[in-house]
Amino acid sequence: LAKTTQPISMDSYEGQEVNITCSHNNIATNDYITWYQQFPSQGPRFIIQGYKTKVTNEVASLFIPADRKSSTLSLPRVSLSDTAVYYCLVGGSGNTPLVFGKGTRLSVIA
Amino acid sequence: EAEVAQSPRYKITEKSQAVAFWCDPISGHATLYWYRQILGQGPELLVQFQDESVVDDSQLPKDRFSAERLKGVDSTLKIQPAELGDSAMYLCASSLAFQGAEETQYFGPGTRLLVL
Repeated sequence: LAKTTQPISMDSYEGQEVNITCSHNNIATNDYITWYQQFPSQGPRFIIQGYKTKVTNEVASLFIPADRKSSTLSLPRVSLSDTAVYYCLVGGSGNTPLVFGKGTRLSVIA
Repeated sequence: EAEVAQSPRYKITEKSQAVAFWCDPISGHATLYWYRQILGQGPELLVQFQDESVVDDSQLPKDRFSAERLKGVDSTLKIQPAELGDSAMYLCASSLAFQGAEETQYFGPGTRLLVL
């Protein structure tokens, strides 16, 4: 069962770039890495997904090294509205269910 | 943009009563998930459906919880009888399939349950 390890919390000032790293040493060959964002009293929202190297969309970038044992979510120029919990999940190989950890609570301050 | 619908958004009940939650996944999504999220923790998978069949219900407390997806579209999660410890957010998610990139899950707004 793939498990992930993330920092419990992070603080950042507005306008800074934030990088959240996730460890997933037991990732399976066919697993994807997916990041979700969750605001209080809302369901998690899909941010980005990748398999290897780098993926970028309008919201974030995802960096995955060659060994795929970790990944880094990069949020450029965060604002107060980026204050949320961010979850890293690995899965998609169809053999094991996706497991949410406790996530990383990001606090953006002015 | 298509969304996962859930109702009700909030539910207050007394212990020993029965409660039911409804979920309508994104059209065309074969896989449906029910999660429970206790305050301060990540979502915990309760049950996963592929079309109308249960794929994984290993974490579903079957003595009091039941879930169905009779026609392979919408789904109902029931708790009977409710206990104080069931107070949580109940989230529904759907995905195209359960393998590969198509397993990307899209979540509904959740139902917040309070058991008194």
